[in-house]
Amino acid sequence: AQSVTQLDSHVSVSEGTPVLLRCNYSSSYSPSLFWYVQHPNKGLQLLLKYTSAATLVKGINGFEAEFKKSETSFHLTKPSAHMSDAAEYFCVVSDPDGGSQGNLIFGKGTKLSVKP
Amino acid sequence: NAGVTQTPKFRVLKTGQSMTLLCAQDMNHEYMYWYRQDPGMGLRLIHYSVGEGTTAKGEVPDGYNVSRLKKQNFLLGLESAAPSQTSVYFCASSYRSGRVSSTIYNEQFFGPGTRLTVL
Repeated sequence: AQSVTQLDSHVSVSEGTPVLLRCNYSSSYSPSLFWYVQHPNKGLQLLLKYTSAATLVKGINGFEAEFKKSETSFHLTKPSAHMSDAAEYFCVVSDPDGGSQGNLIFGKGTKLSVKP
Repeated sequence: NAGVTQTPKFRVLKTGQSMTLLCAQDMNHEYMYWYRQDPGMGLRLIHYSVGEGTTAKGEVPDGYNVSRLKKQNFLLGLESAAPSQTSVYFCASSYRSGRVSSTIYNEQFFGPGTRLTVL
């Protein structure tokens, strides 16, 4: 069975400092992994996705994530936080070759706060 | 392209009332999904559809029904609303799901959400 664990429910950083949002996954297959962002009272927007090509994935707004199979991790990073990055971030796993039509399994979310 | 749209944006119901949430997509996607989002729970799949005329249960289907009469529309119904169904509901769509040759089609596109309160 697939599962995803976001290790921090809330992360607070100062503007201009690095961002690290941690995610571990469990999957029996070669997973697809995603990070989605949700700004307050908005829908979800795809930040980036890993689908078994390059292990370092670059996304929008300067975010990137590295797939580490040995650690079953897919942590999201950004070198320098901006006030507009304040949002909730969801790590998502899917088994495209597995059952359940490859449905997405969401983590519980990490709320990122950015202090001026 | 409007992408994925949801109607209504907000709704307040009394316990026992019924309502239907409408999701529409203009991307010609085969797959459509309904999720609910509750604080600290992430998104949980209610029902999904892999094509016109077909639906399937997700993780939390109880108390909900769905229909996919047209490819572009996916309706979520609450026959007798309960306070436990107070939530934000998101619709999503994808071209398909799974793997075809070397291409994976998991990416889902989300609507803006419907905030439902059941008193």
